[in-house]
Amino acid sequence: GAVVSQHPSRVICKSGTSVKIECRSLDFQATTMFWYRQFPKKSLMLMATSNEGSKATYEQGVEKDKFLINHASLTLSTLTVTSAHPEDSSFYICSARGRTGGSYEQYFGPGTRLTVT
Amino acid sequence: GEDVEQSLFLSVREGDSSVINCTYTDSSSTYLYWYKQEPGAGLQLLTYIFSNMDMKQDQRLTVLLNKKDKHLSLRIADTQTGDSAIYFCAERASGGYQKVTFGTGTKLQVIP
Repeated sequence: GAVVSQHPSRVICKSGTSVKIECRSLDFQATTMFWYRQFPKKSLMLMATSNEGSKATYEQGVEKDKFLINHASLTLSTLTVTSAHPEDSSFYICSARGRTGGSYEQYFGPGTRLTVT
Repeated sequence: GEDVEQSLFLSVREGDSSVINCTYTDSSSTYLYWYKQEPGAGLQLLTYIFSNMDMKQDQRLTVLLNKKDKHLSLRIADTQTGDSAIYFCAERASGGYQKVTFGTGTKLQVIP
């Protein structure tokens, strides 16, 4: 099956610094990538959707200047949390959608746990 | 907008069947999914069903879809301790970016 990787899997940073999370589709081209955030014991909240080479579409309530998304290629999207604060601590999961085996499917990365101290 | 609801918790004995229920609001959903999430891990796609199907069976998993009532269920036969996890149902919209909306998740606890 299609594989989506995320890096890093876990990061701890100080308040005020910026953190970049990478999401890669390893064996297929992802025309669309999604970024989700999961709070403890909660469901996944869609933050933004991006197509390769175009600006991301952010969900209501998500600050685009705070969460910078770049979808530079068909296999890579990055999420940068700028000027991170403790309330940004969360589990961030990316998802990539592309054509695999004749159909468009969406695959999820393993997630990145961000802790801001 | 889309809304997907699940009960929060289910406890079953090892060997019994588990049934996890889900209701959704978007009648134009094309696909409905079941994902499994173990502690500290990402999402694992378990199975999915097209909106024009009523049932899908895959080994120990059976998915039932009642499109009229917008009700989806996942039955796990012969539940094992390794099935303990959080299970999310999700629906995929038909328009726009076809975004996937997740339910609130059901924590399944399997008692040995």
